[in-house]
Amino acid sequence: AQKVTQAQTEISVVEKEDVTLDCVYETRDTTYYLFWYKQPPSGELVFLIRRNSFDEQNEISGRYSWNFQKSTSSFNFTITASQVVDSAVYFCALSENYGGSQGNLIFGKGTKLSVKP
Amino acid sequence: DAGVIQSPRHEVTEMGQEVTLRCKPISGHNSLFWYRQTMMRGLELLIYFNNNVPIDDSGMPEDRFSAKMPNASFSTLKIQPSEPRDSAVYFCASSLAHRGPVGYTFGSGTRLTIV
Repeated sequence: AQKVTQAQTEISVVEKEDVTLDCVYETRDTTYYLFWYKQPPSGELVFLIRRNSFDEQNEISGRYSWNFQKSTSSFNFTITASQVVDSAVYFCALSENYGGSQGNLIFGKGTKLSVKP
Repeated sequence: DAGVIQSPRHEVTEMGQEVTLRCKPISGHNSLFWYRQTMMRGLELLIYFNNNVPIDDSGMPEDRFSAKMPNASFSTLKIQPSEPRDSAVYFCASSLAHRGPVGYTFGSGTRLTIV
């Protein structure tokens, strides 16, 4: 069965520190999609990134970077030079394969990141 | 693009009353999902539709919950009768069910409180 594990429940850092949020997933599908979402205190779910299982290239977007390693079934998220506005709950998610296309999103429990000034 | 639109944003209802949550997906998206978020259980899928057809409703807690998607631009989630344990944030999301460049887009959620 598909499963997403975010072992870090809460992380607290001081502004400008780098922080990595861990995500480990389980799936029997060979084709799948991985996501990260951000949920700020206002409550909405903000899409950050989507990767498919055939693309292991790491991605960088500004201060955000993602490390996808199929060998360890991990899809970790690093924020460089963290800022107070990065404070939020971050969710890693796995999309089931439904007929070759995206199906349901299975979420991890989330990691609450607090960035202190 | 207006995004996924959910209404109401907040709902406070007495136990036993019927509650209806509404969702308008992004135009052109053919998959629609209803999720519930609680502190205890996190984000869990209730039901999802593909081309207006329910695909997986195994997450619907019990018969008190029902969902419909009468057309591609509208879906409802109904709870009847409501109970305090139904209090949660309910999210609707839509996506284009093929290998597109973007992920699922979530609405702002409905914060439901049953008293």
